[in-house]
Amino acid sequence: EEHLAESGGGVVRPGGSLKLSCAASGFRFDDYGMSWVRQTPGKRLEWVSAINWNGANTAYADSMKGRFTISRDNAKNSLYLEMNNLRAEDTALYYCAREGSDLWGQGTLVTVFS
Amino acid sequence: QPMLTQSSSASASLGSSVKLTCTLSTGHSTYPFAWHQHRPGKAPRFLMKFDSTGSYTKKSGVPDRFSGSNSGADHYLTISNLQSEDEADYYCQTWDGDTWVFGGGTKVTVL
Repeated sequence: EEHLAESGGGVVRPGGSLKLSCAASGFRFDDYGMSWVRQTPGKRLEWVSAINWNGANTAYADSMKGRFTISRDNAKNSLYLEMNNLRAEDTALYYCAREGSDLWGQGTLVTVFS
Repeated sequence: QPMLTQSSSASASLGSSVKLTCTLSTGHSTYPFAWHQHRPGKAPRFLMKFDSTGSYTKKSGVPDRFSGSNSGADHYLTISNLQSEDEADYYCQTWDGDTWVFGGGTKVTVL
């Protein structure tokens, strides 16, 4: 069965850092680009970042550029999101999703709280 | 960048039908489009995609009760024979290059 599982969320102070992970299983991970999407406390979905199948191309939402870094390790079937200089407005449930948005994980919660 | 507009809520009785609407912004009516279901505490679930062929393709396992249609920039998700497990938030989505764009979501309540 195809599955994505996020981990690494937590509570962090403004200005702090976190690294999220997403473990993929049940499909050929390196056949797909991947994205991170977050759901705000108001339940709005926001696309965060995307990476192509081999990691050579990445893209970011404007508010994340320079603070977030997406990466992947195809040998480990894993996707990552390194988040630096976190702000209160980054508080959200972070999902990884497959290219085409046809498979999502259950999310990991990031709370930025002073 | 395209924008998507959804009504915030909809409700219908168990066993009846509900039709959700999502409208693409002006100039973006031919963009690819998808519907997702999101139950609390669950992973968002991709339901179907509308693509350049002009038709909707449902993900395997999505019940026949769920159907998609469109008229120009307006896309519709119809849920027939509404079940209690259909109570959820429904999001529409489009793509703009690498960027994913979502509607604000419609909360469906089963009465």
